[in-house]
Amino acid sequence: KAGVTQTPRYLIKTRGQQVTLSCSPISGHRSVSWYQQTPGQGLQFLFEYFSETQRNKGNFPGRFSGRQFSNSRSEMNVSTLELGDSALYLCASSLEGAPNQPQHFGDGTRLSIL
Amino acid sequence: AQSVTQPDIHITVSEGASLELRCNYSYGATPYLFWYVQSPGQGLQLLLKYFSGDTLVQGIKGFEAEFKRSQSSFNLRKPSVHWSDAAEYFCAVGGEYGNKLVFGAGTILRVKS
Repeated sequence: KAGVTQTPRYLIKTRGQQVTLSCSPISGHRSVSWYQQTPGQGLQFLFEYFSETQRNKGNFPGRFSGRQFSNSRSEMNVSTLELGDSALYLCASSLEGAPNQPQHFGDGTRLSIL
Repeated sequence: AQSVTQPDIHITVSEGASLELRCNYSYGATPYLFWYVQSPGQGLQLLLKYFSGDTLVQGIKGFEAEFKRSQSSFNLRKPSVHWSDAAEYFCAVGGEYGNKLVFGAGTILRVKS
């Protein structure tokens, strides 16, 4: 069974641009969560999508948004990029997003802002 | 609100020695606890989880962890470390807001030969 796939693996953008990251969950998984990982703040929860609806949201500005498609694939968008948005963005999937269902992570997208 | 503390930022152990990584959590209800490992340039791999039942849980790669409610701890152990275990280890807690995980700051494990 294929794992969680994130594309692209690396991105370089400049301040003010916007970016879209993609995540394909494990087949059969309907919940997709996104996390930001930085050296200073560590791993922080961005949001979770289930059945094409955002079900849970972390403490990030509105520049960070996402969506989920009917096949459970998810995209995350960051607008008006800032230097502080440089991070590893990780996607995780689980069957239905219940707390007792382990989340499986992809290898992430490394976003660098110049 | 949930929180996780991993007191040790770096730990160095000799190959073949035993290992214990500490994790303390804060959560009033019964927590859902996880240990993940991250190798450089990789995502997070689940080592083990605790939801309920037996407080000693076994995971992959020979790791185990013990849940101690009285100490709010979920320490990770391995009896004999291999050089390939060098990585960063994260303790996480969930359950307060759906499947949102709150992670500790991580412990970097270095293995010396």
